[in-house]
Amino acid sequence: EAQVTQNPRYLITVTGKKLTVTCSQNMNHEYMSWYRQDPGLGLRQIYYSMNVEVTDKGDVPEGYKVSRKEKRNFPLILESPSPNQTSLYFCASSLSYIPYNEQFFGPGTRLTVL
Amino acid sequence: GIQVEQSPPDLILQEGANSTLRCNFSDSVNNLQWFHQNPWGQLINLFYIPSGTKQNGRLSATTVATERYSLLYISSSQTTDSGVYFCAVGRDAGGTSYGKLTFGQGTILTVHP
Repeated sequence: EAQVTQNPRYLITVTGKKLTVTCSQNMNHEYMSWYRQDPGLGLRQIYYSMNVEVTDKGDVPEGYKVSRKEKRNFPLILESPSPNQTSLYFCASSLSYIPYNEQFFGPGTRLTVL
Repeated sequence: GIQVEQSPPDLILQEGANSTLRCNFSDSVNNLQWFHQNPWGQLINLFYIPSGTKQNGRLSATTVATERYSLLYISSSQTTDSGVYFCAVGRDAGGTSYGKLTFGQGTILTVHP
């Protein structure tokens, strides 16, 4: 089944404890992206990747890191999480490095930073 | 960056009614997409429509790029149409910038049986 998977789905952590949220797609998509969703603010793009080893900042990259070492995986790294990073996170992918194709979203990861 | 405004913020309908959702954006774009988030949080791409009109079943969308707005039409609404509708825009400003997408705050649609 074609899909985007994220792990973990739920995570409660404490301030400063490094964490990684994994994202994997099995559709051989070139483009991948991370978003966070907060009440009243809609979705905001954190980072995106046009292809392997090509990443760029979205609107809210501060406090996050990403890497794209292989096409199928695009992990989101929080080196020192803070409470303002408590949010619902979505990973997405699309076929082409131009994201003009349909974007497929993962199920979301709900992160709470205490 | 580009500003995106959606209206109305909330919309309540009876099943069978029609509705129009609007997305205004502050700059020229060459990427505009509409998404639906169902009540369980799942996000689905509805349309890629930087200009012109497209239809998919009961849903259609029109973007007037020169006037910087897009409309999403839902006809004969059903309870399964409930959720949040987002538009997202992007523009190619060189390099990898066309990978960047800015979302509006969404329209919350509730369809009652």
